[in-house]
Amino acid sequence: QVQLLQSGAEVKKPGSSVRVSCRASGDTFTTYTFSWVRQAPGQGLEWMGKIIPVLRTADYAPKFQGRLTITADRGTSTAYMELSGLESDDTALYYCARDTFYCNGGYCFPHWGQGTLVSVS
Amino acid sequence: DIQMTQSPSSLSASVGERVTLTCRASQDIDYYLNWYQQKSGEAPKLLIRDASTVEGGVPSRFSGSGSGTDFTLTISSLQPEDVATYYCQHWHSLPLTFGGGTRVEIK
Repeated sequence: QVQLLQSGAEVKKPGSSVRVSCRASGDTFTTYTFSWVRQAPGQGLEWMGKIIPVLRTADYAPKFQGRLTITADRGTSTAYMELSGLESDDTALYYCARDTFYCNGGYCFPHWGQGTLVSVS
Repeated sequence: DIQMTQSPSSLSASVGERVTLTCRASQDIDYYLNWYQQKSGEAPKLLIRDASTVEGGVPSRFSGSGSGTDFTLTISSLQPEDVATYYCQHWHSLPLTFGGGTRVEIK
């Protein structure tokens, strides 16, 4: 059973950066995709970007281009999300999500982390 | 970006009632649509992928249909444990986007 374990909650000052990690365990699927999805308090889901670790290629939603960096370490099956230039509007629960072998294009998310609360104030 | 619009934004129905949620895409997305259920305080759960393929372990009362721009998620007999917010998500092209969600409550 795939498990995604995210790093703990963060409190940040405006203008600073935050880095959240997400470690996967429990399967041998190798060509997976990690995505990052955030959810502001009381709001809906917002896709931020993705990475395919085996290819080391990342794609970002235009809204976050220039201040979002997604990386991955294949050796530890860990993905990282770094968001810079934090503002109060970035206060949200940040989820990592991962696909599996039956997800066409890597764009369905049967596996989710527990979420990491990032508070900016 | 492709915009996903869900309706209604919330609904209240009785136990055992048939419930239909709608998701509309701003352009043709073929069958490239997934549905998620998010209960309060929990991470989203994938219910249906590729518009109509129900995930393993999901109760048979959940079904999905549609293609192109109009999609529906149906709960054939609403149960108390179905109280949640439901989101659609397209994967036609990047960026992926989610609908605004439909909150389902028990009357």
